[in-house]
Amino acid sequence: EIVLTQSPATLSLSAGERATLSCRASQSVSSNLVWYQQKFGQAPRLLMYEASNRATGIPARFSGSGSGTDFTLTISSLEPEDFAVYYCQQRTNWPLTFGGGTKIEIK
Amino acid sequence: QVQLQESGPGLVKPSETLSLTCTVSGGSLSSYYWTWIRQPPGKGLEWIGCIYYSGTTDYNPSLKSRVTISVDTSKNQFSLELSSVTAADTAVYYCARQRGNIGWFDPWGQGTLVTVSS
Repeated sequence: EIVLTQSPATLSLSAGERATLSCRASQSVSSNLVWYQQKFGQAPRLLMYEASNRATGIPARFSGSGSGTDFTLTISSLEPEDFAVYYCQQRTNWPLTFGGGTKIEIK
Repeated sequence: QVQLQESGPGLVKPSETLSLTCTVSGGSLSSYYWTWIRQPPGKGLEWIGCIYYSGTTDYNPSLKSRVTISVDTSKNQFSLELSSVTAADTAVYYCARQRGNIGWFDPWGQGTLVTVSS
């Protein structure tokens, strides 16, 4: 099973600041890495697929990068609606697995 | 656009079987994989398993011995059964469309909380 480790667990930032989230895989997943956003009390929402492709309707302030074992999700300038938990997911091997999440909280 | 809605009992007794149904509207089950994911309160996400519209399934090995996922294309529904539940199975259960047989999940249902308690 591929283990995904997200860091940091919590990010305390202000609106307008840049957020950088990390996801590290226990073995190479090539570019088969996906990001989701989950707001409190809601289902996760697809943000990025194949590491760097924005899903439909996702603003350009969200960007993804990386390949192999190290991946980054960047939010260039935080909007109030971006404070949420972010999960990465790999789609290289069964079983499909998620990282433990990074919470972006208001500083 | 495709929408998914989970339904089923919110309370299940220990050792019994958890049963949930996901109803898909705005589109057909055809040509897609459909999946179940769960999230214990305050914790992360766990993929349970998926089913192709034709009936082929894949399960998470950690749950495989207790999980059955089935599909009813005539009703545009797919279902989850999890047997011999314990308190550790208490979670929000989500259904979602899975893009490809080893893909990502979009869209998701709103989720339903299932509590295992006597």
